[in-house]
Amino acid sequence: DAGVIQSPRHEVTEMGQEVTLRCKPISGHNSLFWYRQTMMRGLELLIYFNNNVPIDDSGMPEDRFSAKMPNASFSTLKIQPSEPRDSAVYFCASALGGGRSPLHFGNGTRLTVT
Amino acid sequence: AQTVTQSQPEMSVQEAETVTLSCTYDTSESDYYLFWYKQPPSRQMILVIRQEAYKQQNATENRFSVNFQKAAKSFSLKISDSQLGDAAMYFCAYRIYNTDKLIFGTGTRLQVFP
Repeated sequence: DAGVIQSPRHEVTEMGQEVTLRCKPISGHNSLFWYRQTMMRGLELLIYFNNNVPIDDSGMPEDRFSAKMPNASFSTLKIQPSEPRDSAVYFCASALGGGRSPLHFGNGTRLTVT
Repeated sequence: AQTVTQSQPEMSVQEAETVTLSCTYDTSESDYYLFWYKQPPSRQMILVIRQEAYKQQNATENRFSVNFQKAAKSFSLKISDSQLGDAAMYFCAYRIYNTDKLIFGTGTRLQVFP
């Protein structure tokens, strides 16, 4: 079991550029989550998918953020255009759906927007 | 809305001693799950322990145990025989039964002194 795989581990970009974060969940898990961690706001749930379908995107901050899950083994979180206030660590997590199993987190992507 | 509160931003303990981290939550639900996650400097989120609300028995995992007080909506983590490797941020988290949404507290930074 390779765990949840996120890429890249670090991303530095300039304001206004498009940023794409990638996630491969654990095989067999049917729920996938994107979280953002900052010092000011802690860990915030941005969006989560169940069986590749977005279930709750109420945490997505604004239209500049979008997430997709085209198949069970891949998801992306895109920010376009990026702003300095988007600088944070973005975590992807997966779980067996149904609310009983714990979330397994990837190592996160540290995004810095200058 | 459900909320999770960790009132101790920082705690410290000497090696081999015992420390307790506090967590309270607010919910109107009767069935739910509670978790403690550890985040070392590597920033990986690691599951420490979990508790089902319908179980009266407190969960234990080796040196880690919880004191779950459902009526008081309290879920503290006790670490016995503290080790240097226990130094990390600890997050308490709440999950509604049969949903996948996990809500985190703001975290407690634990320092372990030799």
